[in-house]
Amino acid sequence: NAGVMQNPRHLVRRRGQEARLRCSPMKGHSHVYWYRQLPEEGLKFMVYLQKENIIDESGMPKERFSAEFPKEGPSILRIQQVVRGDSAAYFCASSPGTDFYNEQFFGPGTRLTVL
Amino acid sequence: GDSVTQMEGPVTLSEEAFLTINCTYTATGYPSLFWYVQYPGEGLQLLLKATKADDKGSNKGFEATYRKETTSFHLEKGSVQVSDSAVYFCALSDPGGSYIPTFGRGTSLIVHP
Repeated sequence: NAGVMQNPRHLVRRRGQEARLRCSPMKGHSHVYWYRQLPEEGLKFMVYLQKENIIDESGMPKERFSAEFPKEGPSILRIQQVVRGDSAAYFCASSPGTDFYNEQFFGPGTRLTVL
Repeated sequence: GDSVTQMEGPVTLSEEAFLTINCTYTATGYPSLFWYVQYPGEGLQLLLKATKADDKGSNKGFEATYRKETTSFHLEKGSVQVSDSAVYFCALSDPGGSYIPTFGRGTSLIVHP
């Protein structure tokens, strides 16, 4: 059973370009979470999605950032007009449900570098 | 709201030393507690968990006991190895609060030969 897959693993963008990060959850998981990790900092929650629905986007910046989890295909985190401060590691996690005893399964992350 | 507090790192130890990483929490309800480990360049992976008071989670020689009276979930290992060098995250999932897990800031462990 394949784990959570993220691609690309590394992404380099120039300021003003768009970044698209993809996440395929584990088979059978319908809940996806996106996190951002900055060097020497912890994990910051960004957005929680279920298929075709954004459940909680309270951690996502109001501008330039968007996320989706379509009926078919991976979840996408999209950053428009990237700035240097967007450079970070972005992790996706999935779970089979919202039962509080369920752990999250993390992907390997996408490391975004903005030049 | 919910919160998780971990001891600040880095924690630097010699091989075969005893490890403790402290974790305390506040929660609205009766949470499940987790320790995740992140090796360099990788994502987080579950190390162990406990879902009720006095439960002890254990894996790969690591242990943590759910202490409701002290709201703590300290991670311990009797003899660390160089390969244990990683960042450790304490986390909780609270049925009385948000369905978004709450993570601590992480504690970096460096083990020297």
